[in-house]
Amino acid sequence: LAKTTQPISMDSYEGQEVNITCSHNNIATNDYITWYQQFPSQGPRFIIQGYKTKVTNEVASLFIPADRKSSTLSLPRVSLSDTAVYYCLVGETGGFKTIFGAGTRLFVKA
Amino acid sequence: DAGVIQSPRHEVTEMGQEVTLRCKPISGHDYLFWYRQTMMRGLELLIYFNNNVPIDDSGMPEDRFSAKMPNASFSTLKIQPSEPRDSAVYFCASSLGLTGGRRNQPQHFGDGTRLSIL
Repeated sequence: LAKTTQPISMDSYEGQEVNITCSHNNIATNDYITWYQQFPSQGPRFIIQGYKTKVTNEVASLFIPADRKSSTLSLPRVSLSDTAVYYCLVGETGGFKTIFGAGTRLFVKA
Repeated sequence: DAGVIQSPRHEVTEMGQEVTLRCKPISGHDYLFWYRQTMMRGLELLIYFNNNVPIDDSGMPEDRFSAKMPNASFSTLKIQPSEPRDSAVYFCASSLGLTGGRRNQPQHFGDGTRLSIL
């Protein structure tokens, strides 16, 4: 089971690009990397998932280096509404391999 | 399409009372999950179902907790008797498969039930 490490919190300003890095040194060959976002009083929401290199969708980009021991979630031009907790998960999630850690609390300031 | 629907959104009750939380998954999803979230322990998976069958309930904290899924569109999580330490936000989620696995499907969460046991 791959353990993940990510910063506890980050601050940013509106309009900036935010990069949140997650370390997962013991990621297994078949493991995917998944990011969720959680707003106050809501359940987590799936943002993006990847296996290697780069994945981009309408919300974010996910960069995964060749060794896959880390990954970086990139949020372009954040707004106040991007203030949330961001969770990095590795491996097959949904069973008892699922580990939602403490996540990264992102504060976006005006 | 409606998302995962949980009820009630808030529940306040006294210690010793029975509490029943309800969940309606997204139509067509064959996996359903119950989570509990607290400041101290974060988000913990309690139990999950596949095609209405409980796959593993080893995350359920005690015998006071039970979960059922009588059909594909409804599940309940029951606590009897309730205790103050059960106070938490309980989330239900559903998916078409296990994220990162062969079917690689994300989980869709409801907005949770905030439970307070006095």
